[in-house]
Amino acid sequence: EAGVAQSPRYKIIEKRQSVAFWCNPISGHATLYWYQQILGQGPKLLIQFQNNGVVDDSQLPKDRFSAERLKGVDSTLKIQPAKLEDSAVYLCASSLAGQGLIETQYFGPGTRLLVL
Amino acid sequence: GNSVTQMEGPVTLSEEAFLTINCTYTATGYPSLFWYVQYPGEGLQLLLKATKADDKGSNKGFEATYRKETTSFHLEKGSVQVSDSAVYFCASIAGTASKLTFGTGTRLQVTL
Repeated sequence: EAGVAQSPRYKIIEKRQSVAFWCNPISGHATLYWYQQILGQGPKLLIQFQNNGVVDDSQLPKDRFSAERLKGVDSTLKIQPAKLEDSAVYLCASSLAGQGLIETQYFGPGTRLLVL
Repeated sequence: GNSVTQMEGPVTLSEEAFLTINCTYTATGYPSLFWYVQYPGEGLQLLLKATKADDKGSNKGFEATYRKETTSFHLEKGSVQVSDSAVYFCASIAGTASKLTFGTGTRLQVTL
């Protein structure tokens, strides 16, 4: 079974530029998550999708971050414009079941972003 | 709110030593508890989990017991190997949400 795929693996941009990350979850997984992991910290949830609907985006900085999962499968996370403090690893995860059930989340390898 | 606190690293051990990584949680209600591991250059992998008090999760020689009275979920392994070198994250899910709340991670370095 293929795991969660993410691209690119690494990205270096200058502040005020825009960047987009892509995630393809495990086939059949209804729930998709984007986490931000700043160096030395644990991952923090940015947004959670159930199929193509947003379940939780309370910690997403909506003035600069956006995410979509139009067909309920793969997803993109965009930052525009980027700030220095956005330098982090962006992790995508997916799980089989919907909200209210405790299911294992499977993580992709992450995209490491460096903002100069 | 929900939070997870784990011991700071790095933890450096010799091969075959006993490992304990402490983790405590605060949550409303009774959360499910997890240990994730992140090997160098790889994504997070679920190591073990426990969903109710007194449950013991185990995998690859690692164990953790859900202790409600001490709100703890300490990770243990009787004999570590060099291949166990990684960053270990304690995490919780509370209530009906499926959002994972992570600790800051503990880096383990095992030497020969």
